[in-house]
Amino acid sequence: NAGVMQNPRHLVRRRGQEARLRCSPMKGHSHVYWYRQLPEEGLKFMVYLQKENIIDESGMPKERFSAEFPKEGPSILRIQQVVRGDSAAYFCASSPQGDSNQPQHFGDGTRLSIL
Amino acid sequence: AQSVTQLGSHVSVSEGALVLLRCNYSSSVPPYLFWYVQYPNQGLQLLLKYTSAATLVKGINGFEAEFKKSETSFHLTKPSAHMSDAAEYFCAVSALEGGGNKLTFGTGTQLKVEL
Repeated sequence: NAGVMQNPRHLVRRRGQEARLRCSPMKGHSHVYWYRQLPEEGLKFMVYLQKENIIDESGMPKERFSAEFPKEGPSILRIQQVVRGDSAAYFCASSPQGDSNQPQHFGDGTRLSIL
Repeated sequence: AQSVTQLGSHVSVSEGALVLLRCNYSSSVPPYLFWYVQYPNQGLQLLLKYTSAATLVKGINGFEAEFKKSETSFHLTKPSAHMSDAAEYFCAVSALEGGGNKLTFGTGTQLKVEL
């Protein structure tokens, strides 16, 4: 089953450490999206990437957060110097094309906990 | 800009009863609309989508939704609830504003099914 794969499923970090979240899109999908879900809230868009390009990062915090989708390998969401407020579930989704009518397929998420 | 409002953060129905989950959207361009379901500790699974074809859309697990432009609504229904339907449901809108395919989600409705 070549669904969207995210790892790790759970990640615990202490304040000030770095968190790296990985996402492998579905086979044949070259468009990746990252969303953040805070407790009791819906998902909020963070960033949209194609291979080697950031297309839309309008939902990314200006500092400490970065994302990449290299030519080879998974997409990475990186959070530097984590703070308590970064605790959330981070979901990756992929689609075969970037059209607005294309449904996105989601992974099971990475639950980040900051001590 | 686009937005989604889901009325009722918690809905409780009896097994076998009608399920109605409300979603209203706001979009300055014709929208594409989606319903997703999220089970605990999992990612989002697509239930159905509206992409400007038929206004009554049938999805998986017996769910359907009707797009009503005059009411800017896309309510989700199921004639007879089953215990396995207990989950959180998210309505989302996508529109080609500023390019890209980012989804804007509602805050979700937690569906509880009682015996």
